[in-house]
Amino acid sequence: GENVEQHPSTLSVQEGDSAVIKCTYSDSASNYFPWYKQELGKRPQLIIDIRSNVGEKKDQRIAVTLNKTAKHFSLHITETQPEDSAVYFCAASKRGYGGSQGNLIFGKGTKLSVKP
Amino acid sequence: NAGVTQTPKFRILKIGQSMTLQCAQDMNHNYMYWYRQDPGMGLKLIYYSVGAGITDKGEVPNGYNVSRSTTEDFPLRLELAAPSQTSVYFCASTIAGDIYNEQFFGPGTRLTVL
Repeated sequence: GENVEQHPSTLSVQEGDSAVIKCTYSDSASNYFPWYKQELGKRPQLIIDIRSNVGEKKDQRIAVTLNKTAKHFSLHITETQPEDSAVYFCAASKRGYGGSQGNLIFGKGTKLSVKP
Repeated sequence: NAGVTQTPKFRILKIGQSMTLQCAQDMNHNYMYWYRQDPGMGLKLIYYSVGAGITDKGEVPNGYNVSRSTTEDFPLRLELAAPSQTSVYFCASTIAGDIYNEQFFGPGTRLTVL
């Protein structure tokens, strides 16, 4: 089955710097890669996602890149702010295949700390 | 819309006790999920349902049971609680699991088994 590895497990940056979180996946048939942000004590919330037919997607200070050949995708946060401090999870799934194959497989998370 | 709701927020159980974690959504989503989140381990899928009357196992189903009698509700049952089931449990839903739709999460239930 699919396996998602996420690095680093913790990341500390100064406010205004950029942060990059990387994930690799094992199943070449995976085609949907969402990123979730979880603030302390709160529920995970989707912040951005990318499909396998796209190499990069941006939403203001957040971008995600996908390298299908290498089977890895990354989250980039520019001009970090203290409110970006949270745990970030990547995930992968095979949408369109039906049944359990559409289920999300999550990475173990990255705890991002942005220091003022 | 209330979205995805879960009760209770917190619960302490003794070993061997049983309980049901409640989950409900009012978005008319047909897909619903139960995850557990252990520290540093991400989210692991316990059970999922693609519609009323249909449930299936996820990655870590042992020690749990589910039912889905209505579109709105998806309760998770722990029959004989064990310390290994200490975790935060999240319910989630989406309108369809096999296309590119967001999964919406509930606020979670923090369960401690002593």
